[in-house]
Amino acid sequence: DAGVTQSPTHLIKTRGQHVTLRCSPISGHKSVSWYQQVLGQGPQFIFQYYEKEERGRGNFPDRFSARQFPNYSSELNVNALLLGDSALYLCASSPLDPFLEAFFGQGTRLTVV
Amino acid sequence: AQSVTQLGSHVSVSEGALVLLRCNYSSSVPPYLFWYVQYPNQGLQLLLKYTTGATLVKGINGFEAEFKKSETSFHLTKPSAHMSDAAEYFCASMDSNYQLIWGAGTKLIIKP
Repeated sequence: DAGVTQSPTHLIKTRGQHVTLRCSPISGHKSVSWYQQVLGQGPQFIFQYYEKEERGRGNFPDRFSARQFPNYSSELNVNALLLGDSALYLCASSPLDPFLEAFFGQGTRLTVV
Repeated sequence: AQSVTQLGSHVSVSEGALVLLRCNYSSSVPPYLFWYVQYPNQGLQLLLKYTTGATLVKGINGFEAEFKKSETSFHLTKPSAHMSDAAEYFCASMDSNYQLIWGAGTKLIIKP
């Protein structure tokens, strides 16, 4: 079975631009969460979606948004990129609500220049 | 607010020696606790988790952790370190909204 897949794996953007990151969960998983991991730190929770509804939002500005599609895949959008948005963005999927077993993708490394 | 503290950003042990990675949590309710491992340029892999029941939890790759409520700790151990264990390890707890709260991570270095 395929694991959680994220695309692209690496991305370089310029300050002020917009970026869309994509995540495909494990087949049968209905919950998707997004995390930001800045180099040298632990992940920080951004969003959680379950059955296409937002179930949780971390302490991130409104420049960050996300959605989940009918096939349970998800997109994370970031507008007006700042240098500080440079990080590894991780997507995790879970078969359950509540979210007790998280399976992570390999992440998207975003560099903002 | 719930928090997770990992003592030591770097831990160095010799191959074959005991591995001990420390994690303390703060929570007003019985927590769900997790240990994840992250290899360079990869995502996170679940090593083990504590939800309820037995306080000694066994995970993959020979790792285990013990939940000690009186000490608010969930330390990760492995009797004998292997070179392949070199990675970064993260402790996490789940808050009342079922969101993971993460420690800052401990980089495990294995000396030959």
